[in-house]
This record gives sequence, structure tokens and C-alpha cells, in this order.
Amino acid sequence: DSGVTQTPKHLITATGQRVTLRCSPRSGDLSVYWYQQSLDQGLQFLIQYYNGEERAKGNILERFSAQQFPDLHSELNLSSLELGDSALYFCASSVSTVGTDTQYFGPGTRLTVL
Amino acid sequence: AQSVTQLGSHVSVSEGALVLLRCNYSSSVPPYLFWYVQYPNQGLQLLLKYTTGATLVKGINGFEAEFKKSETSFHLTKPSAHMSDAAEYFCAVSEGNTGGFKTIFGAGTRLFVKA
Repeated sequence: DSGVTQTPKHLITATGQRVTLRCSPRSGDLSVYWYQQSLDQGLQFLIQYYNGEERAKGNILERFSAQQFPDLHSELNLSSLELGDSALYFCASSVSTVGTDTQYFGPGTRLTVL
Repeated sequence: AQSVTQLGSHVSVSEGALVLLRCNYSSSVPPYLFWYVQYPNQGLQLLLKYTTGATLVKGINGFEAEFKKSETSFHLTKPSAHMSDAAEYFCAVSEGNTGGFKTIFGAGTRLFVKA
């Protein structure tokens, strides 16, 4: 158990819909990262937040957005969903925002878009 | 931009045999390199990382990796495979600065261990 929690574990929805994925970091960690894992694209970095501020952005679509709240939990919002958005979405956390930090991964949310 | 190449999407070894998973990276600056393991239906777990200093890095579960700058490689090894090592392994490099950074992952190598 990494100490990172993600809800829900599974999500099934239809094209065009909007969903919200939630992540609670390990106690004491200030950074949260979001990743997408799919068969087509592999494991892709989406975005990083540190203490409520966006710090790095990867291949995140404009239809996707994220935020980190004052209690440090984070949400990833996916809108206008397409079939290709079906994937495993991971959240990770680390204590700071240094490249040498160990990231601790949650168990993931499996999103299926029908 | 940095990138990571893992040679071999699948590797099969016999129990007790040497495990060698290959990783090459491209980076214009000294890299921070990582190996992660993913067991079925689970998140990723850090095996080991190279930041600075000693180029031979020891990790959990008997794994180690050697950073070779001249070869831009960071291959993962384990002297003797165990059935429990069957999983997917990802090599990764981080790029950025203290303001924020991205982690770039390789495509992964699935390790099969035969009895």
C-alpha cells in the first residue's frame, strides 16, 4: 500500500460525458502527478501540482483539467469524453517538487468510455 | 526533449537465471533515471533510481542498475530470477527543474519467469 488513494476504482461512461477522478496523496506529500496509461500511448505524464499550483504540464488534452485543493487532494476532470480516452489513470505523490523525488503511485482508476 | 527506449517488449527467463532488462535514454543534461515495476492490476512501485554519485545503484528485491553515461544506458539486472518477479518494468527519466518536472516513461518490458 503506497498511501495514495484514488476513487473510484472503475468508471464506465458514455461518449460526450464528463467525469471527475479523485486522488488523495500520502500524508505529508505536497506534489501530485497525474498519468494516463493506455495500450496505444503507454504511460504518459499529464500534469503536476505542487501545494495547489500547477508546476508542469505534459500531453494533457484541452478537454482535461486538474486542480489541487487546499487539503492537497487533487481532481482530474475529463470532459467531452471520446472512446480513445478509455485508459487507466494514475495519480502519484511526492514530498516536494524535485526531479529526484520518489513518486508513490495510487492503484489507478480504470475509465471505460462506451 | 528527453526520451527513453526499452529494448524488448517481452523478456522470458527461467527461474534462477539472470534477468537483464535494457534501457537507453536521451538527454541533453545529466539525467535522473528510474526503474519502476508494475504488478497486474496495481500501480507502479519504484525499484531504484539514479540521481548522482555511484553509478551502480541497488534497489529493492535484489535488483540493481548501472548508469553508463558513455552508452546512455541504464540497464536493470537481477542475478537470479524468481517467479514473483514476473511483472511489467518501466524505465523512466525525469526532466525539469525545482519548479516542476515531468517523468518520461519507456514503453515497458513484460518479464515472464518460467518454472
